[in-house]
Amino acid sequence: AQKITQTQPGMFVQEKEAVTLDCTYDTSDQSYGLFWYKQPSSGEMIFLIYQGSYDEQNATEGRYSLNFQKARKSANLVISASQLGDSAMYFCAMREGPQGAQKLVFGQGTRLTINP
Amino acid sequence: KAGVTQTPRYLIKTRGQQVTLSCSPISGHRSVSWYQQTPGQGLQFLFEYFSETQRNKGNFPGRFSGRQFSNSRSEMNVSTLELGDSALYLCASSPQGNWIRGNTEAFFGQGTRLTVV
Repeated sequence: AQKITQTQPGMFVQEKEAVTLDCTYDTSDQSYGLFWYKQPSSGEMIFLIYQGSYDEQNATEGRYSLNFQKARKSANLVISASQLGDSAMYFCAMREGPQGAQKLVFGQGTRLTINP
Repeated sequence: KAGVTQTPRYLIKTRGQQVTLSCSPISGHRSVSWYQQTPGQGLQFLFEYFSETQRNKGNFPGRFSGRQFSNSRSEMNVSTLELGDSALYLCASSPQGNWIRGNTEAFFGQGTRLTVV
């Protein structure tokens, strides 16, 4: 079974600094997808960024980038120039199952707090 | 384009009762999956429906069930509620597609917060 590990329960960062949230994964599949989601206190899971196992370049979406190191099985999220609105829970997730199946396995999450 | 809509947003039920939660996916999306989020267990996959058929199921007791209608709307039902069923229940919708070499991301609703007393 696939497993996602997020080792940082909480992080505190000064506004405008860059922050890296760690994520390691374990899978025997050759094809997989990795996601990062943001969950504010309202509860909704907001998609941030996606990395496919076959993607040769690291994914980027605005201030978000994914540091994908396939050999080390890590997919760290980097947020540049953090903002107060970035304070939230962040989840790393892996899609599991055959093509078309939509089952996500989530890590335990990291609570990020941005200080002014 | 409307997002994923879950109703109700909040619910309080008594132990032993049953509850039905609803999820309306994004228009055109045929896959709906459900997740339970608790402080202790985190986010856990319940099941996924695609074209009215359950395609995938997580490790939950039979008290948890679901269905999908022809318009892709989905409902999940929990019978004989227990205190431990108190959780945020999240629904996600996805388009059909081969995701191996492309992203068919899951879009989540705001969730239904269920409290069992």
